[in-house]
Amino acid sequence: GAVVSQHPSWVICKSGTSVKIECRSLDFQATTMFWYRQFPKQSLMLMATSNEGSKATYEQGVEKDKFLINHASLTLSTLTVTSAHPEDSSFYICSARGDSGALLGVQETQYFGPGTRLLVL
Amino acid sequence: QKEVEQDPGPLSVPEGAIVSLNCTYSNSAFQYFMWYRQYSRKGPELLMYTYSSGNKEDGRFTAQVDKSSKYISLFIRDSQPSDSATYLCAMSAEMASSASKIIFGSGTRLSIRP
Repeated sequence: GAVVSQHPSWVICKSGTSVKIECRSLDFQATTMFWYRQFPKQSLMLMATSNEGSKATYEQGVEKDKFLINHASLTLSTLTVTSAHPEDSSFYICSARGDSGALLGVQETQYFGPGTRLLVL
Repeated sequence: QKEVEQDPGPLSVPEGAIVSLNCTYSNSAFQYFMWYRQYSRKGPELLMYTYSSGNKEDGRFTAQVDKSSKYISLFIRDSQPSDSATYLCAMSAEMASSASKIIFGSGTRLSIRP
């Protein structure tokens, strides 16, 4: 149980285009989803926290108009990188935390997706 | 000072050795402690989860938390080449609140030599 998927797994795009990344919780309902960015050989940096049906909370220094987050259902959150530039090239990882319930076992922790590698040319 | 400090390594040990990975932290409010394993170009995978102080064992892995010293450890016994990965410690003050965040260490790159 507690599987999180991401799509696509990698994407290459031209500078100035927008890219949408999907994060899905496959076997549980995720009341909260998190979006992280990870540069090579660095740790995860939290970008934003989103709760189903409400606006995302962005970390300091993260542009909310550039990184649009939608958490429209309990199993899906999307991150759209708008007008992407080469400096946005990174590994984007989502995680999901479920509602209380026995399904997850360790019910309050986060389960991570496999990540999406974005390369902006 | 970072909230969570972790030696980035790399750490290289021979197969079969006992591996010790550590993190220190500064926020005494942290109560939930986790270790994640991340293979190259993959998302982190939860390995161990501990609440408050004490030890927890799962197969070849043992997690220790010493809240008085603000120090946590992960031990890997009988290390295997497949254990080669980056290990991230993580901690949080309140897991049940939707506002709570997990703070990650920078990760230690571990290599097990056959």
